[in-house]
This record gives sequence, structure tokens and C-alpha cells, in this order.
Amino acid sequence: LAKTTQPISMDSYEGQEVNITCSHNNIATNDYITWYQQFPSQGPRFIIQGYKTKVTNEVASLFIPADRKSSTLSLPRVSLSDTAVYYCLVGPGGYNKLIFGAGTRLAVHP
Amino acid sequence: DADVTQTPRNRITKTGKRIMLECSQTKGHDRMYWYRQDPGLGLRLIYYSFDVKDINKGEISDGYSVSRQAQAKFSLSLESAIPNQTALYFCAIQGTNYGYTFGSGTRLTVV
Repeated sequence: LAKTTQPISMDSYEGQEVNITCSHNNIATNDYITWYQQFPSQGPRFIIQGYKTKVTNEVASLFIPADRKSSTLSLPRVSLSDTAVYYCLVGPGGYNKLIFGAGTRLAVHP
Repeated sequence: DADVTQTPRNRITKTGKRIMLECSQTKGHDRMYWYRQDPGLGLRLIYYSFDVKDINKGEISDGYSVSRQAQAKFSLSLESAIPNQTALYFCAIQGTNYGYTFGSGTRLTVV
């Protein structure tokens, strides 16, 4: 499974756009990029998944450049409730176990 | 009912005691996982099961055992609990769309 590197923590303010970048230099051809969100004392929650280019859903956007060695999770107009830990995971599509790193701790301030 | 239910939600036990954490699901997925999370850290995989007859060790299986009693049930046991097993434990299921669904977790304290 490809190793991922993401910032340990980030700070933002309500209403701002937040971009969290994840590096995955050794991503394999059949790997997908998936992001999860975790609130304190809760299990992680799936946010978004992509393979290449751009994916958007009601929660976030995921930008993946052509070389796929990095990806950026974009959260538009964050609110206090977006304060959480965000995990970037890379692994083969379909069935496979996921390995979580330490994630990025996002703090949104008033 | 929640897709993934973990019991108990909180448990305090003494060193040396045997304890079982239970996980059940209502989605009919084959793949189930047990993770452990220590404060400020990411999740670490303890055991996983791809079907009832399949059990696999994860990153940190020492001191733990599991039982897949049925497709819907996957239990984690600590045969002789020790203080450094104090952590938040999560059960997860995985469907064909690759995404995981996690339970609400069990907070275990070993004193």
C-alpha cells in the first residue's frame, strides 16, 4: 500500500476554503485515493474518493493531478463543525484493508 | 438500527481480566475489521475478516483474538487485559464500493 504524507495540523476560520494536500509518491496504477473525516470519539466517516482529475460531492472536492503523486481535499466555506481529523488513504480499488496514518487535525475558529 | 453496532460503549476492567468487545452489522457485508485508536493517533488494524471462515492478523494482533460467529458478528477478545490496551476500539464493515462504515467505538480502560 502506498505511503501517504499530510500535514499534522491546520487552522482556518469560518467561511474560508480549506485545502489539505496529501502526498503519495508511490501510488500504484490501480490505487484509489480516499478521504475520511473523524470527529472526537467517533469512527471515521467516508468523505470522498477519486482516481484522477476532479471529483466533487455535496461535502467536498478532490483534486488529483495527472501524475497522481498528490491529491488535495478542498472543503468550501468551512464552519466550526468541520473541526475534525482528516485522513488520506491510498489503496487498490475494490476489496482491500485500509491503513490509516495520523491524519490532519483541522481546527476551524470563529 | 445503526449499520454497525458496538457493545459495550464504555468499559473499565482490571489487569488480567478477559474481556470481549462485540460488533454486529445489518448491511450483510462480508468484510469486517477491528481497529484500535490511541489518543492523538491514527487507527491501527488489529484483525480483519473477509468472510466467516477467514480471519487475518493486522498490524497489532498480539494480545488480541477474534471470532467471526456469523456474517453479521465479529468479536474482539483480550484474553488477559493489560493497561497499554487502554484505547478506543472501532469495528468497521466494508461493502463493494470500497468505503468503510465504522461503528461508534468502544472506549476501554484497563486499570
